[in-house]
Amino acid sequence: QSALTQPASVSGSPGQSITISCTETSSDVGGYKYVSWYQQHPGKVPKLIIYHVSNRPSGVSNRFSGSKFGNTASLTISGLQAEDEADYYCSSYTSSTLSRVFGGGTKLTVL
Amino acid sequence: EVQLVESGGGLVQPGRSLRLSCAASGFTFDDYAMHWVRQAPGKGLEWVSGITWNSGRIDYADSVKGRFTISRDNAKNSLYLQMNSLRVEDTALYYCARSIVVVPFDYWGQGTLVTVSS
Repeated sequence: QSALTQPASVSGSPGQSITISCTETSSDVGGYKYVSWYQQHPGKVPKLIIYHVSNRPSGVSNRFSGSKFGNTASLTISGLQAEDEADYYCSSYTSSTLSRVFGGGTKLTVL
Repeated sequence: EVQLVESGGGLVQPGRSLRLSCAASGFTFDDYAMHWVRQAPGKGLEWVSGITWNSGRIDYADSVKGRFTISRDNAKNSLYLQMNSLRVEDTALYYCARSIVVVPFDYWGQGTLVTVSS
């Protein structure tokens, strides 16, 4: 059972903003300030879109933003576009800076 | 250009072994920790194992601990995963990915498919 809990699905209309939450549910998840987010389109390789809670890699749209409050991290996508429809995963360290855990994933549907 | 290319997947019977490889290029391999992440058909991502740049630290998910062994050869820019006592539930697409402390999994390979079935 994942120590990071995400909603199974979220949806939004083009132009809207949506937020995906990622809640730490295990005391074994350490280094939660190092939350990262990944986007995966069907049949494609996961892509890093946010690291260290709120940092965007070069080339990632500024429509993607990350934040954290307490034990819940969030990914916000503003100005929703059809191409944003994908699965999104959060991830963090567990008890060391080597071992990792992923959330169960959230399917984003753009209506 | 950073490239990670996995190989070694295939169809194997339960209880048998398989060795995966990941060939890295386009970056300084021994600057990075390396990981294996898998994804069962239709399911989410699961971290499998990680190894630091100098193999000084290694860790495994509980689901594979005692059965899988990760290793690397920095001279060959290669990462490996020896998988023993394979189970049906190990069936997945296996990705290798690199990480550095605050920037995990910024590059992934295309994956190699492992199917465990009798």
